[in-house]
Amino acid sequence: GQNIDQPTEMTATEGAIVQINCTYQTSGFNGLFWYQQHAGEAPTFLSYNVLDGLEEKGRFSSFLSRSKGYSYLLLKELQMKDSASYLCAGESYNTDKLIFGTGTRLQVFP
Amino acid sequence: DTEVTQTPKHLVMGMTNKKSLKCEQHMGHRAMYWYKQKAKKPPELMFVYSYEKLSINESVPSRFSPECPNSSLLNLHLHALQPEDSALYLCASSQDQAQTGGSPLHFGNGTRLTVT
Repeated sequence: GQNIDQPTEMTATEGAIVQINCTYQTSGFNGLFWYQQHAGEAPTFLSYNVLDGLEEKGRFSSFLSRSKGYSYLLLKELQMKDSASYLCAGESYNTDKLIFGTGTRLQVFP
Repeated sequence: DTEVTQTPKHLVMGMTNKKSLKCEQHMGHRAMYWYKQKAKKPPELMFVYSYEKLSINESVPSRFSPECPNSSLLNLHLHALQPEDSALYLCASSQDQAQTGGSPLHFGNGTRLTVT
């Protein structure tokens, strides 16, 4: 199968930096998305990586290594409103679907 | 504000009821999706429509029946549901279905369904 793995839960302190990792099988995936989902709300698009390297967007950055099947989302200067679930999702060649990871629930404490 | 609108926001229905969930987008997207999401789990794909034709059905029970009347609208008809079908039902759209071009999904806020 095409599995995408993420840690289930993470905690961090306001103002800190946190890195959320995502690993996947290298075969059959093209690009990788990151989505943010606050409790009771819809997921919203954060970033997309298809080439190796780091993409920076303000306080959020996303990294991809296709050869290693590895991505991470880096959140800087954490704010309380960053408490949410973060979903990694891979574009599948074989099935023409988006495959979601299990999601990481991030809790930011004061 | 989300550009994909879903109605109703909440729905409580009995196991013998028939109801419909509605979704609308006006971004000119050609692909529309239904996802089911249980608490603390990622969204699970149910159906995909591409250019108003059903292109993916993830072996969803027939008590869920999708319909795409036109390129902007997507419905999910519900009949004889079970309590375990209680979940958040999310509609999404994207520029096209091809999952190799970085076309992100735009999600609606969902319908919170409770089956009693």
